Amino acid sequence: QQPVQSPQAVILREGEDAVINCSSSKALYSVHWYRQKHGEAPVFLMILLKGGEQKGHDKISASFNEKKQQSSLYLTASQLSYSGTYFCGTEILDSWGKLQFGAGTQVVVTP
Amino acid sequence: DTGVSQNPRHKITKRGQNVTFRCDPISEHNRLYWYRQTLGQGPEFLTYFQNEAQLEKSRLLSDRFSAERPKGSFSTLEIQRTEQGDSAMYLCASSLTYLDRGADTQYFGPGTRLTVL
Repeated sequence: QQPVQSPQAVILREGEDAVINCSSSKALYSVHWYRQKHGEAPVFLMILLKGGEQKGHDKISASFNEKKQQSSLYLTASQLSYSGTYFCGTEILDSWGKLQFGAGTQVVVTP
Repeated sequence: DTGVSQNPRHKITKRGQNVTFRCDPISEHNRLYWYRQTLGQGPEFLTYFQNEAQLEKSRLLSDRFSAERPKGSFSTLEIQRTEQGDSAMYLCASSLTYLDRGADTQYFGPGTRLTVL
């Protein structure tokens, strides 16, 4: 049930863009995105709900393809502060209320 | 609002000993989750509570693990007869979520790092 994230890691220069993908083999109710910096707790970025509702970060965007059970997180004009590991958490339709997290995508933004 | 707190932050124990961790959620949050995270992996769901009721426990979770949330506020996670494979970061998260809705924004605590020697 664990979602699959890709790529595993990406290195960017400041100002460049990146896309992180998350896919599930099960029908999804929602996808949650978090960023975790080394030694710190995961921090909420965004929720995407079945039906199109989104809640979250002003400067980071995401999409949710319900038919394909996939979500993508878009890092646009990356800043040094974007460095960290990004996790998607998926909530599947027949197991409401809990999240299964992917293995993460490590993002390094260099000057 | 002081956020989610966890104690202790670090715990070193010998194999076979019992350990207990505490989580204090954000005060008005009714839902509380426990996760385990190992190096290079995402948080792994262990269990969650809606107020004082434990709604689900991971099937992967050994009987050595037990969690409580007696008054619907703080929660404790106990591991009995610890094994080296239990070494991990144990994360707690809380949210304000109602039973007729799915998972909402979860706010994570700083975690308790367990090392079993």
